[in-house]
Amino acid sequence: SQQGEEDPQALSIQEGENATMNCSYKTSINNLQWYRQNSGRGLVHLILIRSNEREKHSGRLRVTLDTSKKSSSLLITASRAADTASYFCATDGAGYSGGGADGLTFGKGTHLIIQP
Amino acid sequence: DAGITQSPRHKVTETGTPVTLRCHQTENHRYMYWYRQDPGHGLRLIHYSYGVKDTDKGEVSDGYSVSRSKTEDFLLTLESATSSQTSVYFCAISAPGEETQYFGPGTRLLVL
Repeated sequence: SQQGEEDPQALSIQEGENATMNCSYKTSINNLQWYRQNSGRGLVHLILIRSNEREKHSGRLRVTLDTSKKSSSLLITASRAADTASYFCATDGAGYSGGGADGLTFGKGTHLIIQP
Repeated sequence: DAGITQSPRHKVTETGTPVTLRCHQTENHRYMYWYRQDPGHGLRLIHYSYGVKDTDKGEVSDGYSVSRSKTEDFLLTLESATSSQTSVYFCAISAPGEETQYFGPGTRLLVL
């Protein structure tokens, strides 16, 4: 069954604004990852946050994780037209051995459109 | 796409025919995965492999089989394709101790 659920399903903002996407999941995790998918392409890893971390930054990306609420958020600051894509959260399970060996469970994604 | 190729990239086939999709990597990564992506479902794991001749089922494995005879190749076979298997199929790889997965460009399969 689907582990992560992104919210909103679609988001349209003006270039330069910040975009926030949320993800909720159901079971314990070792880590949570965010991936981006441009139309017709494969997924690209953006950032990983471990279960013992609360916040992580990478360039214009900021990810938070609240394990008590089983939720995460992805913030993209100063959005650009090139950020237009679908964004997915993905989790592994705390019972797994780590290293992603057993595969990831993806949410349904948020489609982000940046208006020029 | 991290040295991952998928073939074919597009395929149209008829119900009941066998179909094999190929994933080839040049990264020598031990773990390989097959996912399918459908509208409203995100990506779902079909099968995965820990190494040569070592595979296991994922969430949506019914109607699919896999084989891995070499580190670099992971084959996904639909023994008798059905319309419900119309989807975009993605291969991914990862290395032991590394949680990040690297994805191929995908194969669009249409079963008529």
